[in-house]
Amino acid sequence: QSVLTQPPSVSGAPGQRVTISCSGSNSNIGAGYDVHWYQQLPGTAPKLLISDNNNRPSGVPDRFSGSKSGTSASLAITGLQAEDEADYYCQSYDSSLSGSCVFGTGTKVTVL
Amino acid sequence: QVQLVQSGAEVKKPGSSMKVSCKASGGTFSTYTINWVRQAPGQGLEWMGRIIPILGITDFAQTFQGRVTITADKSTNTAYMELSSLRSDDTAVYYCARGEDNMDVWGNGTTVTVSS
Repeated sequence: QSVLTQPPSVSGAPGQRVTISCSGSNSNIGAGYDVHWYQQLPGTAPKLLISDNNNRPSGVPDRFSGSKSGTSASLAITGLQAEDEADYYCQSYDSSLSGSCVFGTGTKVTVL
Repeated sequence: QVQLVQSGAEVKKPGSSMKVSCKASGGTFSTYTINWVRQAPGQGLEWMGRIIPILGITDFAQTFQGRVTITADKSTNTAYMELSSLRSDDTAVYYCARGEDNMDVWGNGTTVTVSS
């Protein structure tokens, strides 16, 4: 059972904006650990989408953005496109787990 | 551009062990951290542990303590993850991924099926 909680699913029409939350606690996100986001298309390995809370690696469209506040983080997708339909995971570290890496529960984004 | 190439799919019996390899091509990984992450069918990502090859330091998720071994061969740029006492719920895709904080390069994944 993950210590980072995400909604199981979110959906939106093409062109709309959707957000995915990643809720943690004072031993992980709230402790100052950075949050990273990954996109996993069906049948493929995860891909780094957002690093260090709000940085986009080279090649990631600026439709994707991240933020962090308190014990939570969010991923926003603006101008939703069909190819954005995928699973999304947040990732951070947790001091209560000896600094172990933790992933969020994952969110399925569906483009209507 | 570094790529991580993993070994092929395996079928294992309950109680046996598995060993998956992860070879870095197009660069050396000795200064990076190599993580192992698994994903059971229809489930989310689960971090298992990591190694810093240049230091030989390893760190594991509590869930896998005592059952997982992670090693690295700097001469061949290859990391290994061995999981023992396999159970049916170890059936998963196992990924290696590079990164100390975030994971920016992922392997292609190795499907391991545990079945009698």
